[in-house]
Amino acid sequence: DIQLTQSPSFLSASVGDRVTITCRASQGISSYLAWYQQKPGKAPKLLIYAASTLQSGVPSRFSGSGSGTEFTLTISSLQPEDFATYYCQQLNSFGGGTKVEIK
Amino acid sequence: QVQLVQSGAEVKKPGASVKVSCKASGYTFTSYGISWVRQAPGQGLEWMGWISAYNGNTNYAQKLQGRVTMTTDTSTSTAYMELRSLRSDDTAVYYCARRMGVAGRFDYWGQGTLVTVSS
Repeated sequence: DIQLTQSPSFLSASVGDRVTITCRASQGISSYLAWYQQKPGKAPKLLIYAASTLQSGVPSRFSGSGSGTEFTLTISSLQPEDFATYYCQQLNSFGGGTKVEIK
Repeated sequence: QVQLVQSGAEVKKPGASVKVSCKASGYTFTSYGISWVRQAPGQGLEWMGWISAYNGNTNYAQKLQGRVTMTTDTSTSTAYMELRSLRSDDTAVYYCARRMGVAGRFDYWGQGTLVTVSS
């Protein structure tokens, strides 16, 4: 199975900051990567799929890029509702998660 | 609108079995697969397996092989996940999710079912 490694595992940021999260795959996965947001006590929510395609209804401040083994999720201007944990996923594997907290 | 509604919380003793249901609505059930994902308290997401609602084909996580069975009932648009020989480290929230696309993204999720394994 492919291993997905996210970094950082934790980050502290302020409202309005630009935030970037990285996901590295143990082998090339083309553009077959999705990103999810999860808030406490809630199911994950799909944000981006195919590495860079925004899921319907997701704000445009979220963007994704990358292919092969390295991918990024960027939040251009962090909003209060964006404080959550983010996961990357490809087929049967999830990254370990990145918790975004308020500085 | 697409909805996945799961059964309620369960408390089980070690060695017992649990069966969680996931009722789908708002789409053609047999056109998509259903995956099951679990999350232990304070931990990340763990993929458990997948079932095709079209033909019943399954693919299970290696670590759960022999203990997990996923099934569907197309007459009621319901997917089921049964986990046997429960251990304390099976305590988790269990989610069903609709799987779509070549890369198997999960676009709709159930609300989650807490399964607690305790003596």
